Amino acid sequence: NAGVMQNPRHLVRRRGQEARLRCSPMKGHSHVYWYRQLPEEGLKFMVYLQKENIIDESGMPKERFSAEFPKEGPSILRIQQVVRGDSAAYFCASSRSGGWGTTNEKLFFGSGTQLSVL
Amino acid sequence: TQLLEQSPQFLSIQEGENLTVYCNSSSVFSSLQWYRQEPGEGPVLLVTVVTGGEVKKLKRLTFQFGDARKDSSLHITAAQPGDTGLYLCAGPSQGGSEKLVFGKGTKLTVNP
Repeated sequence: NAGVMQNPRHLVRRRGQEARLRCSPMKGHSHVYWYRQLPEEGLKFMVYLQKENIIDESGMPKERFSAEFPKEGPSILRIQQVVRGDSAAYFCASSRSGGWGTTNEKLFFGSGTQLSVL
Repeated sequence: TQLLEQSPQFLSIQEGENLTVYCNSSSVFSSLQWYRQEPGEGPVLLVTVVTGGEVKKLKRLTFQFGDARKDSSLHITAAQPGDTGLYLCAGPSQGGSEKLVFGKGTKLTVNP
């Protein structure tokens, strides 16, 4: 049973280019979350999606960033016109359902995409 | 804004020693989770604590949730080099949101 798959593992872009990060959740998981991790910083929530719906995008910058989770295929985090400050590790996580108040729900993280903007 | 403060930020010990790391907040959390993250990898869930005062054990790791559900601790007995990693605590954001708030973590190094 494959885990959460993210690709590419490393992505290098020049300022002004577009970055597309892909995430395939675990089999049977319909909830996808994107987090960003900067050096010496904790993981910061960006967006929460279910199939074909953005549920919570309160952590995502209003400009240049977008996310989708189509009916078929992986979730995509898209960053347009990248700047040096976008350099970070981007992690995707998935779960079968929400509900953090129980002991049964688990969040599984992928290995991340390290984005470097030159 | 809910914050989770973790201490110490860095900890370097010798194999066989015991250690405790802490996760504190001024806010009440309905539950707290502990993760371990290794370099170049995503966090891996270790445990979820839900009830105030709860203690959970995972082999040599003991997790405790404070009575007031504002803090948690992780105690490792007889640390091994394989315990090396970044230990993160996380809790659900207030208001029924599905997002997790993470602390900055404790970077643990266990030297052989």
